[in-house]
Amino acid sequence: TQLLEQSPQFLSIQEGENLTVYCNSSSVFSSLQWYRQEPGEGPVLLVTVVTGGEVKKLKRLTFQFGDARKDSSLHITAAQPGDTGLYLCAGAYSGAGSYQLTFGKGTKLSVIP
Amino acid sequence: SAVISQKPSRDICQRGTSLTIQCQVDSQVTMMFWYRQQPGQSLTLIATANQGSEATYESGFVIDKFPISRPNLTFSTLTVSNMSPEDSSIYLCSVGVGKGSYGYTFGSGTRLTVV
Repeated sequence: TQLLEQSPQFLSIQEGENLTVYCNSSSVFSSLQWYRQEPGEGPVLLVTVVTGGEVKKLKRLTFQFGDARKDSSLHITAAQPGDTGLYLCAGAYSGAGSYQLTFGKGTKLSVIP
Repeated sequence: SAVISQKPSRDICQRGTSLTIQCQVDSQVTMMFWYRQQPGQSLTLIATANQGSEATYESGFVIDKFPISRPNLTFSTLTVSNMSPEDSSIYLCSVGVGKGSYGYTFGSGTRLTVV
């Protein structure tokens, strides 16, 4: 079973602060996805990264895929209360069926006004 | 991307009973996926449902406990059978965004509590 280690598990910060969430594995990903899930809702896809070293930006969110495609990070600049939620990374592993993902346990982010 | 309607959104059930969860997609899709999200845990794939064939179950999940129907390309059901408190969880259906490796769209989930 492939494992995705996500850290930190919980994060509580003040509005306006910056934060970074990490997703790591010993295995190589064919693609890595980030989702945000709010209470009572299903996860919503934020971004997919495919190429080693790739950086994608979504407004104040910056996603980076490691050069070796084994790790990824999500950086939020000037966090706002609307960023509160559970952030999940999910990896599709090289060699696995393209529809098979492994999810990390998530980072529960609380942004305090 | 596709829009998924999932119901019920939540239910409280007696142990030993069964609950059927429905997912309707607004477009035709080849594969639909069923996940479980236990409290404080991440998402675990239960099975992949293909239209016209039996679902493919992941390790630890069996058809007798989680029978799945896929009568057409826009609809699927998951039944949680003979429920116990350990089945209390959020159940989610999803479909791929384009090719599956590029992401999933999820339904809003069914929060099941077994008492």
